[in-house]
Amino acid sequence: EAEVAQSPRYKITEKSQAVAFWCDPISGHATLYWYRQILGQGPELLVQFQDESVVDDSQLPKDRFSAERLKGVDSTLKIQPAELGDSAMYLCASRSGTGGTGELFFGEGSRLTVL
Amino acid sequence: DAKTTQPPSMDCAEGRAANLPCNHSTISGNEYVYWYRQIHSQGPQYIIHGLKNNETNEMASLIITEDRKSSTLILPHATLRDTAVYYCIVRVGGGSQGNLIFGKGTKLSVKP
Repeated sequence: EAEVAQSPRYKITEKSQAVAFWCDPISGHATLYWYRQILGQGPELLVQFQDESVVDDSQLPKDRFSAERLKGVDSTLKIQPAELGDSAMYLCASRSGTGGTGELFFGEGSRLTVL
Repeated sequence: DAKTTQPPSMDCAEGRAANLPCNHSTISGNEYVYWYRQIHSQGPQYIIHGLKNNETNEMASLIITEDRKSSTLILPHATLRDTAVYYCIVRVGGGSQGNLIFGKGTKLSVKP
C-alpha cells in the first residue's frame, strides 16, 4: 500500500540551529500539506502546495520557516533558527488532485525536540 | 469552515459499540463532515465522511441528524486497537477542495 514517507522520524537540536524535514507524498498526489502538532493539540496547517505552487501559507511563520516543493513531487520544510517553542510533531499529508473521497493521507511525522 | 465541538474524552468497553458525538451547529449546506483518528505517535487516519445521508464502511458508521447540526461516529465493536484521538471536522467540498482544520478531538479509551 502506498504511503507518505517522512524523514527524519526524530530530530533533537539546540535552539538557534537549522533543521529540515523531508516528505515524499503518495505518487501522483498533486496536493501536499505540512501540519504542526503540539503535544495534546490537534494538527495545525502550516502550508499547502498544489503541484509546485503554494496555495496557502497564511499560518507559516515566515521569519523562520520555509517550505518548498520544487518539482511538484517531494517537499522540504525548514526551520532556521529553531526556537524552544518549535518542539512538536511535523506531519506531512497528501491528497489526490482529482475525485475520490478527498481524504488526506498522512505520514508518520517527524518529531522535533529543541533544547 | 464550521467549528465542531467534541467531548474531550470517552471510555468504552471492549466489544461494545463506541458512539462518539460531534456538534457542528453552524455547518453550511456545502460542508461535509469528516472523521479522522490518530493513534498515539502516528499520523491521523481517515475513517469516513458524509454530507447528509448516513454512511457506513468497513471501519465505522456515520449518523448525521436531519438538521445536520450534529453527527455521531459509531464503531460497532470496539477493540483495544481503537484507542485513539478521534477528530470530527467539517469542510467545504467532498473532493479536492478545502483544508482540514483540526480541533482537539475526543480521546477514546477502549478498556478490556
